[in-house]
This record gives sequence, C-alpha cells and structure tokens, in this order.
Amino acid sequence: DTGVSQDPRHKITKRGQNVTFRCDPISEHNRLYWYRQTLGQGPEFLTYFQNEAQLEKSRLLSDRFSAERPKGSFSTLEIQRTEQGDSAMYLCASSLEGSQPQHFGDGTRLSIL
Amino acid sequence: AQKVTQAQTEISVVEKEDVTLDCVYETRDTTYYLFWYKQPPSGELVFLIRRNSFDEQNEISGRYSWNFQKSTSSFNFTITASQVVDSAVYFCALGIGGNTPLVFGKGTRLSVIA
Repeated sequence: DTGVSQDPRHKITKRGQNVTFRCDPISEHNRLYWYRQTLGQGPEFLTYFQNEAQLEKSRLLSDRFSAERPKGSFSTLEIQRTEQGDSAMYLCASSLEGSQPQHFGDGTRLSIL
Repeated sequence: AQKVTQAQTEISVVEKEDVTLDCVYETRDTTYYLFWYKQPPSGELVFLIRRNSFDEQNEISGRYSWNFQKSTSSFNFTITASQVVDSAVYFCALGIGGNTPLVFGKGTRLSVIA
C-alpha cells in the first residue's frame, strides 16, 4: 500500500514564473486535499476534490492558483505569476469518504527567488 | 467558525519524562472530529489518532494517551516516558461533519533531550 506521493519535493523558481505540482493519492481514496504550510504554522486548507469534482476553495486560493483532478486520480496545483509570498510547503492529503483520517504526502517545498 | 488553539509553542523535556500537549478547540457544530498529527524533522505529517465528538472515552496506545473532554473543549495528548524519537512538531486538528477540510492548530514543538 503506497502512500500519498508528491512531485517535485523541492521547487526553486524566480518571481513571476509559473509552477505546477503533482499529487498522487492513495489509490482507493476518493477525496484529495491541498494545504499550504508556512514556517512555524499549521497547514492551511486550500482546496479539495471528491473524485474529479472540486468541492471547496479557500479564500487563500487567489486567482493565480488553479487545481485540477481530471480523472479523479492524480491532481495538479498550478501557481501562475509566482510571488514571494507563495514560498511555502504545499501539502497534499487523501482520504476515503466519510470521517476517515487524511493521509499526507511529503509535500513540495516552493522557494521564490 | 472553527478554531484550534495549541498554546504551547515549544516544550523541552528530558528523556523518560512524561509530557502533555494541550489542545483547545472551538466549534458550534455538534458532530466533529479531532485529530493529532506528528511532523518529524523529515516533514511528513503522520496521523496519530482520530476522535469523534460522541466518543469521550480516553484512549491509550503504547506510550501515547489522549484525554478528550467536551466540557472544556479540550483534546490533550500525553506521551509517557518520552524518547528522543518523539522529538517533532505535533498538530491538533478539527474536522466538521463528514471529512471536511481540517483546521489545524499552530503546533507544539517537542524536544526530548537525552
């Protein structure tokens, strides 16, 4: 049973560039979540999917952010025109429906130069 | 609105000491779930426990135990006979209803010194 996989682990880019992250959830999990974690803080919710449907987006998710889960399996999170404030760890989690625990990937650490 | 407060930012203990991490939550919903996660230096969040709002029984798992008290809106976590490997940041989190996005506290950094 493989866990949640995220790629890349680290991303360094210049301000203004676009970046895309990928998340592969645990195979039987219907729900997929994206969170952002900055230094010294707990993870903050960004958006989540049930299968391919995006059910909720946080106010943190500006127009520069977009997420997809086209076939209800893997998901991508794209940030356009990156800004310094986007530097953070981006975490993906997945779970079965209901109240089951969310299982997290190792995260993608984004650094904006 | 939901909120989770972990008032202890950092705790340092000597190995074999017992330590309790506090968590206080706020919600008006009657059906909710509480979680604890561990984030070691490697960075991955590791699930430790889930508790629903209708089950106030305390739980013990090895050296770990959890005390859920609805009267004080608290869900505290105790590590007995701490070990160096317990050094990590511990997060308490709240979920409403059926597996909605979690609201996390800011975490407590635990350092266990040999």
